[in-house]
Amino acid sequence: AQKITQTQPGMFVQEKEAVTLDCTYDTSDQSYGLFWYKQPSSGEMIFLIYQGSYDEQNATEGRYSLNFQKARKSANLVISASQLGDSAMYFCAMREGRANRDDKIIFGKGTRLHILP
Amino acid sequence: ETGVTQTPRHLVMGMTNKKSLKCEQHLGHNAMYWYKQSAKKPLELMFVYSLEERVENNSVPSRFSPECPNSSHLFLHLHTLQPEDSALYLCASSQGLTGITVDGYTFGSGTRLTVV
Repeated sequence: AQKITQTQPGMFVQEKEAVTLDCTYDTSDQSYGLFWYKQPSSGEMIFLIYQGSYDEQNATEGRYSLNFQKARKSANLVISASQLGDSAMYFCAMREGRANRDDKIIFGKGTRLHILP
Repeated sequence: ETGVTQTPRHLVMGMTNKKSLKCEQHLGHNAMYWYKQSAKKPLELMFVYSLEERVENNSVPSRFSPECPNSSHLFLHLHTLQPEDSALYLCASSQGLTGITVDGYTFGSGTRLTVV
């Protein structure tokens, strides 16, 4: 079963508009972490934002915020005031497991975001 | 400038060739990973090394052989590959397998491999 689901394979958004990238996850662990990564055409995966399962407030990093709805197992990424440089592939990821050797991050299939001038 | 460096950036090899991918990090991280990224598929975790010891091998064919001589370097040795092995191979590192922390992975830029 897929643990991370990103239902939007591609999105087109006008520059300066806000963008919401969807992500739902599946885990039976109480303690887990959620990440968003950006992958531009250069290939490098860039860490954007992190949300811990016990964090009561939504994470924010500059123009990025994570809309965390724990009961719905949803962790959408919101990008405010989009810029042309935001065009990239975006991956939602989850880290589950406790302080043991099984701790690892798994990724969704990604959403390709195109910002239009 | 990423803290994780991968070489080469691009590689074209025949099915009978032997080549190696290199990954290097000087972030003081203790864990290193190889991921495979094929078109339209999620990132696939291939190998995990923690403190130079392999802790996970996700049923990867033996034509892929990892090597971690120290905590800063990770290699992926390739031999007799198939065309379906063509993909972007990403290396990543992290502070270690120490539970839920804010530290994600630091990725390299990847090696774009084409098998002909």
